[in-house]
Amino acid sequence: QVQLQQSGAELAKPGSSVKISCKASGYTFTSYDISWIKQTTGQGLEYIGYINTGSGGTYYNEKFKGKATLTVDKSSSTAFMQLSSLTPEDTAVYYCARRAYWGQGTLVTVSS
Amino acid sequence: DIQMTQSPSFLSASVGDRVTINCKASQNINKYLNWYQQKLGEAPKRLIYNTNNLQTGIPSRFSGSGSGTDYTLTISSLQPEDFATYFCLQHNSFPWTFGGGTKLELK
Repeated sequence: QVQLQQSGAELAKPGSSVKISCKASGYTFTSYDISWIKQTTGQGLEYIGYINTGSGGTYYNEKFKGKATLTVDKSSSTAFMQLSSLTPEDTAVYYCARRAYWGQGTLVTVSS
Repeated sequence: DIQMTQSPSFLSASVGDRVTINCKASQNINKYLNWYQQKLGEAPKRLIYNTNNLQTGIPSRFSGSGSGTDYTLTISSLQPEDFATYFCLQHNSFPWTFGGGTKLELK
């Protein structure tokens, strides 16, 4: 069965970076793009972008350019999202998703 | 970006009720509209894809309709497990955008 297993919660300081992972199983990893979504209570759901897991090509929502960097490691069927120059506004639950399938979410808390 | 206006934001209903939730896009999205259910602390679950296609394993009391800019999710007879938050997603053009959500509460 298709599963996307995300890494655990992160507590980060303002100005730092975090890297979230999304390990896929149950299907051929390189056959589907992986999307990333941000969820906050205030802003709701926002689409960050996607990565073509075969080619490594990416699309970023303009709002997240310079904030998020998407990569993959095909050898481990894992997608990654690095968030840089963190501010309190980056505090959110972040999801990876493949069409109908979503990871369980990773809470990133930015606080000094 | 395409704006998705979802209504209502809150909905109070009883078990057995028929409810509808609406999403209006700021431009034609060519039926590329999905509906999701989310319960507290859980990832969203896709119910409907491309306006009216029921996701495998989702009960048939859920249905979707619409075209152009206007889309509707209908739950024909609410069950206790249906009380959750629902939201729509347009994937016609990037960036994909979400509705603001509808919290369905037990009356």
